[in-house]
Amino acid sequence: DTAVSQTPKYLVTQMGNDKSIKCEQNLGHDTMYWYKQDSKKFLKIMFSYNNKELIINETVPNRFSPKSPDKAHLNLHINSLELGDSAVYFCASSPGLAGGASTDTQYFGPGTRLTVL
Amino acid sequence: AQKVTQAQTEISVVEKEDVTLDCVYETRDTTYYLFWYKQPPSGELVFLIRRNSFDEQNEISGRYSWNFQKSTSSFNFTITASQVVDSAVYFCALIDSSYKLIFGSGTRLLVRP
Repeated sequence: DTAVSQTPKYLVTQMGNDKSIKCEQNLGHDTMYWYKQDSKKFLKIMFSYNNKELIINETVPNRFSPKSPDKAHLNLHINSLELGDSAVYFCASSPGLAGGASTDTQYFGPGTRLTVL
Repeated sequence: AQKVTQAQTEISVVEKEDVTLDCVYETRDTTYYLFWYKQPPSGELVFLIRRNSFDEQNEISGRYSWNFQKSTSSFNFTITASQVVDSAVYFCALIDSSYKLIFGSGTRLLVRP
């Protein structure tokens, strides 16, 4: 009965590799998000999708590309990984309105700890 | 631009003490929403409360209570009779017409037995 799930939970990889993190929510929400939490615990939004459409795109290197195959899934692909990409990445979802941005409560997945060596 | 400040980096208390976590926010909007999330040592982010800017009533949920004061732009969180399981990092957050959930830097609470 997991609400927001992410895979994998841990990801260790070498600099320069390409990796993906998957996110799924079974809450029936229309809006999904990706956040990055750095080593000092600071949380910052990266992207927001509503019903497969990009709503928010923060100043994130274009090596990061979100993909939403349907409104229940939002995956994060990262190309040419760098040391500074090491962080915990959280997926979240909120009800929202179809076609628009949302101020509703966001429910977070368990996080994916990415370590780039 | 919107901003959330949690000036207390770390707080340490002994079990059964009451503790208040401070949160001060900035926004130019009159309609906005404030949140608290808990991040226990296991790492997940747990939603605690959402309040809208038009509802200044204090809220109590068990040992947790929240004090929202628009006059001082504060949304403080009090844990009464703290327990070891309350040890976590607590985040205050704000969302306004930007639709971006902005987090404070977090307060690490350590409750010692």
